[in-house]
Formats: sequence, C-alpha cells, structure tokens
Amino acid sequence: AQSVAQPEDQVNVAEGNPLTVKCTYSVSGNPYLFWYVQYPNRGLQFLLKYITGDNLVKGSYGFEAEFNKSQTSFHLKKPSALVSDSALYFCAVRGMNTGFQKLVFGTGTRLLVSP
Amino acid sequence: NAGVTQTPKFRILKIGQSMTLQCTQDMNHNYMYWYRQDPGMGLKLIYYSVGAGITDKGEVPNGYNVSRSTTEDFPLRLELAAPSQTSVYFCASSPETANTGELFFGEGSRLTVL
Repeated sequence: AQSVAQPEDQVNVAEGNPLTVKCTYSVSGNPYLFWYVQYPNRGLQFLLKYITGDNLVKGSYGFEAEFNKSQTSFHLKKPSALVSDSALYFCAVRGMNTGFQKLVFGTGTRLLVSP
Repeated sequence: NAGVTQTPKFRILKIGQSMTLQCTQDMNHNYMYWYRQDPGMGLKLIYYSVGAGITDKGEVPNGYNVSRSTTEDFPLRLELAAPSQTSVYFCASSPETANTGELFFGEGSRLTVL
C-alpha cells in the first residue's frame, strides 16, 4: 500500500530564511511524487512533481524539491521564504504503474512565514 | 479560464436531508474526482470517473453517489446527510490517469451537517 508522511504539522520560518517542508513516502516500485499548496479558502494548486530524471526538481514560485530514493524522501525547499508563502502544503505519491485514483496525500504541513 | 467550478461554496444541512454538490470543468478532461478534506487527515478520494458514463468508488464512498452524463459535469449526491459528512469537498480533473501531469482542483464546497 502507498503512504505518505509529513512529520511536521507546522513549520515556522522568518522571511528571507530558507525553508524546508519534509515528506517521506512508501510505494511499490518507482514513485511519482507531487507537492501541492493550498491557500485559505482555495483549492489545491500544483507546485511541482518528480517523475524521473534529475533528483532536484524546480517548480512554481521558486520552490524546489529533492528526491532521495535511499531515504524515500521528497522534501520541499525554498532558499528565501516570503510571507506570501504562508499556506498549507501537501505531499502526494502514487506508484508509476498506477493512476491518479491511487494518489495518496499526506496530512499537510502548515507553513507560517513571519515578517 | 474557468477550470474546475464547484457550487455551492457553503451549505448547511440538517441530518437526513439530501443535496447535490455540482462540479463542472471546461478543460475537456476525461478524468474527474471527488475528494473530502478533514482537518489533519489530508484528502480522501470518494469517487472518480474515467469518462462519461463510467464511475468508480474511491477510498470513502459510503453515503455518496455520483453520475457522469457528460464530460464536463460530475455531481456528487448526498442522500441522507449525517454529521460525519461535515467536511470540505473538492472536485478535481486531469487529462488522463496515466498522465504524469497534475490534478486541477476546484475551490471547494464547505458542508456542515447539523
């Protein structure tokens, strides 16, 4: 069975500092990994994905994520946080040979960036 | 670009009442999904559809029904509302399930059952 763990309910960071939001996963075979962001009272928006290739994936709004197969992790990072990055972030995974109906979401991590 | 549109945005129901959450997309996507989001629980798949006339159960289908008569529309029906169905519901679509692209989400429908 596929699963995703986001070990931190909330991450606090000061504006201008680097941020990391953690995600680990479990899946049979090779994974497809995704990060989504949810702003208040809005739907989820796609940030970035790892399908294959380079382990460092770049996405929207200056975010990037590093795929680490040995540690089964896909942490979200940004070199310099903005107050506007404050939102709820979801990691999601599915196996390469499965469809989106098998996509599993983590429980979410709230990012709070202080001025 | 409208994308995925959900109505209503908010609704309060009494126990035992019925209602339909509407979802429509204008991207000609074959695949559509209904999720529910509960605090601290992430998103759970209720039902999905791979095309007009075809639907299937997701992880938490009990208490819900869906239909897919057109490519654009994927309504979610609650027949006998229960407090456990208090949640935020999201409709999503994707071009195809095997695609490596992303899901496109609506803005959500917040349902409270009292």
